Formats: sequence, structure tokens, C-alpha cells
Amino acid sequence: DTAVSQTPKYLVTQMGNDKSIKCEQNLGHDTMYWYKQDSKKFLKIMFSYNNKELIINETVPNRFSPKSPDKAHLNLHINSLELGDSAVYFCASTHPSSGGAEETQYFGPGTRLLVL
Amino acid sequence: AQSVSQHNHHVILSEAASLELGCNYSYGGTVNLFWYVQYPGQHLQLLLKYFSGDPLVKGIKGFEAEFIKSKFSFNLRKPSVQWSDTAEYFCAVTIAGFQKLVFGTGTRLLVSP
Repeated sequence: DTAVSQTPKYLVTQMGNDKSIKCEQNLGHDTMYWYKQDSKKFLKIMFSYNNKELIINETVPNRFSPKSPDKAHLNLHINSLELGDSAVYFCASTHPSSGGAEETQYFGPGTRLLVL
Repeated sequence: AQSVSQHNHHVILSEAASLELGCNYSYGGTVNLFWYVQYPGQHLQLLLKYFSGDPLVKGIKGFEAEFIKSKFSFNLRKPSVQWSDTAEYFCAVTIAGFQKLVFGTGTRLLVSP
């Protein structure tokens, strides 16, 4: 009954490969996010989707492409992986339409990506 | 653009010591304020949040934070820390009505038994 789940938990791959990370939430939220946490633990938002529509797209290389097949899922596809892509990627979700307490974001367990 | 500053990058305390972690944000309008905790190897969990009302908010595990609007601050406190509080603590802000969560750089707390 995990609220926000991510797969895989660990991902080790070679430079130049293409990989995907998946996120699913069963909270009934309509907004989902991808965050990147670098080696210094700094967290920065990458993307946000609301009801399958992209609403936040920070300065992220075009190699990163989010896809939301439905409002419970937000996947992240990364093309031509580079060493600098090594990080922990966190998915999160929220239900902001009601405002107030629903703006709390709930985070998944993270995907630890290591590019060799 | 809004930003969040956490001035203490590393804090080392002995058990039972009192804790205060600083957080300042830069935005003049209405904000929502959060403290998240990340235990070693785990995901972020919400400790507490402030949206409106009483500026002193209480969270889980004995943590509290005080919103001081005039100082643009939202410092986290705990009167007596435990070894299990060893973790990374993140202050974060959203502008009311917007879903973009902006994090501070985090404070790594080490509590020695």
C-alpha cells in the first residue's frame, strides 16, 4: 500500500545508454513531480505534470523527457546518459486543486542512478 | 526568483542537546513553508508545515518550527535530540497557489550517543 512508488530503486548503466524510471502514486493526486538530488544532497525540481499536462519544466537538457500516461503515473526517460546524470531522482505527488494542506508533496523512495 | 537558505550545513550534537536549524527564504508574498527530513538511505518525509494561522507549528517526533514573517525565517527546533534524529533536514517553500517546491541546501545533523 505504498503511496508513491518508484522503479527501479537502483540503476547502474553505461554512458550513452537510454534508460527509464517509473513512478506511480495511489493517493488520487493529480499533480506529480520529478526532482533531482545531486551528490551534495541539493534537491531541485525538474518537471511537474498536472492531469497529464506539463506545467513545470525547469532548465533540464532535452535528453530528459517525462511522460504521463495517466495522472497516477509519471515516467522519466533519459537519452544518451552522461556521467553528470548520476544522482538520486525523486518522484513526488500532491493534490493542489483544493489548496491548503493538500499542497504537501509526498515523495517516493528515490531511484539511485549511477552512470559509469 | 524565490530562494531558500539554510546556513548550517553540518551540525553535530550530543544526545539530549537542544537543536535549532536556521531557514530563511526570499520572497515578499504569501508563502507555504515546510521542513522535510531524509534519514540515511531513505526518502523525504514531511516533518511539519506552515500555511497560515499560529506561527508556531508542531510536527512529528517532537519537532516544532516558528514562522517569523518580519525575518523571513522558519527555524526548526527540538528541545532534546536523540541519536535517531541523525538525518538530513531540508527547509522548503512554495509560493501560495503554485506547486513549485524550492528547497534549501539541507543541513546534515549528526547526533552522537
